[in-house]
Amino acid sequence: DTEVTQTPKHLVMGMTNKKSLKCEQHMGHRAMYWYKQKAKKPPELMFVYSYEKLSINESVPSRFSPECPNSSLLNLHLHALQPEDSALYLCASSQGAPFARGPSSPLHFGNGTRLTVT
Amino acid sequence: AQSVTQLGSHVSVSEGALVLLRCNYSSSVPPYLFWYVQYPNQGLQLLLKYTSAATLVKGINGFEAEFKKSETSFHLTKPSAHMSDAAEYFCAVRANFGNEKITFGTGTRLTIIP
Repeated sequence: DTEVTQTPKHLVMGMTNKKSLKCEQHMGHRAMYWYKQKAKKPPELMFVYSYEKLSINESVPSRFSPECPNSSLLNLHLHALQPEDSALYLCASSQGAPFARGPSSPLHFGNGTRLTVT
Repeated sequence: AQSVTQLGSHVSVSEGALVLLRCNYSSSVPPYLFWYVQYPNQGLQLLLKYTSAATLVKGINGFEAEFKKSETSFHLTKPSAHMSDAAEYFCAVRANFGNEKITFGTGTRLTIIP
C-alpha cells in the first residue's frame, strides 16, 4: 500500500472538459510534487510545492494548474487539454524542503492517475 | 549538473539467476543515488539509496547496490531473481547539497524467464 493516495485512478476527458486530479498524504511531508510520465519513459517533473507554496514550475503549459489547499493535499486542475497530454500523472512527497539533503530526500510516490484525452 | 545512464533498456534473466542492472552517474559533486522500481500500473517505489554512509547499500526485496566512485557506477544486483521482480527499474541521482532536483535515468525493463 502506498502512503500517497491519488484519485481518480483513471480519467478520460475530452479536450473541452475541466477536471481535477487529487493527491493526499498524511506523512507530514512538506514538499509535494507533480510528475508526468509517458509510456516507457522516466517521470518528468512538472511542479513542486514547498510548505504549500509553489516553488518550481517546469515551464508547464497553463492548461495545467496546480493547487495546494493545505499541507496534506495537492490538486492538479486540467482544462482544454490536448491528446498528447495523455499520460500517467504521479504525485510525490518528501520530508522537509524540496529535494532536501539527507536521508529524508527520497520521494514517496502515489500510484498515479492514468489520463486519456480524447 | 548531474545525470545517470542506464545501460540496457531491457534485461531478461531466468528465475533464480543473478540480476544485474547497470547505472553510471555523472556528477560534479558527491551525489546521492537512488534506485526506484515501478510495477505495472503503479507509481515508483524506493528500493534503496546511497547517501555516503556506506558504499554497499542493501534495499528491500533482496536487492543491493554498490557505489564505486572510481567507476562512477551504482549497479543494482540481486542474487536470485524471482518472478515478482519483473518491473521497470529507474536509477536516479541528485547532488548532496543545495536543492538540486532528482534526475532519473531512462529505465530498464526487467523480464524474468520461468
